[in-house]
Amino acid sequence: AQSVTQPDIHITVSEGASLELRCNYSYGATPYLFWYVQSPGQGLQLLLKYFSGDTLVQGIKGFEAEFKRSQSSFNLRKPSVHWSDAAEYFCAVVPFSGNTPLVFGKGTRLSVIA
Amino acid sequence: DGGITQSPKYLFRKEGQNVTLSCEQNLNHDAMYWYRQDPGQGLRLIYYSQIVNDFQKGDIAEGYSVSREKKESFPLTVTSAQKNPTAFYLCASSMGQINEQFFGPGTRLTVL
Repeated sequence: AQSVTQPDIHITVSEGASLELRCNYSYGATPYLFWYVQSPGQGLQLLLKYFSGDTLVQGIKGFEAEFKRSQSSFNLRKPSVHWSDAAEYFCAVVPFSGNTPLVFGKGTRLSVIA
Repeated sequence: DGGITQSPKYLFRKEGQNVTLSCEQNLNHDAMYWYRQDPGQGLRLIYYSQIVNDFQKGDIAEGYSVSREKKESFPLTVTSAQKNPTAFYLCASSMGQINEQFFGPGTRLTVL
């Protein structure tokens, strides 16, 4: 079945440490790929997106993501985490056909400790 | 300022009552969506609409209804048939189905 998987439910990192959040998808053709962030009790905000071209995508708030076709992955990274990055992060895909709406992973909750 | 508004932010209802959640956008987007969010479940699609006067069921449409009479508005009614309606509801819109979605601030519904 077509799906989006975020293997890590909860990650804790120290402030200033690097971060990588994993996302894998299972679709036949490369889908359109997105990362969103959600602060508690709020809506979602788009961090970055990948449609085609350069596989390393830069986003807002210092985030980047790398698309790896061979691994069906679209992992989110940040070199140095700030306490304000504590939130829930969602990977999402739209199948290449565009016939169905965005499909979300179940999310990864990020905690940041001093 | 362009964006999506949802009202109210908190909503309380008695069991057995229908309740309508509001969603308005001034982004001139064609597509609109309703999601339900429960802890540990991610976002689950309830209904979506790609154009005015047309909408499709998502993954968990049972117990919900929608209308799309205007491009700007996509209200969601939670009916008494929804077995467990207490949740956080998010509305979103996009230019088209492959484009990024913009989200409202959400409505937290509690059924007592």
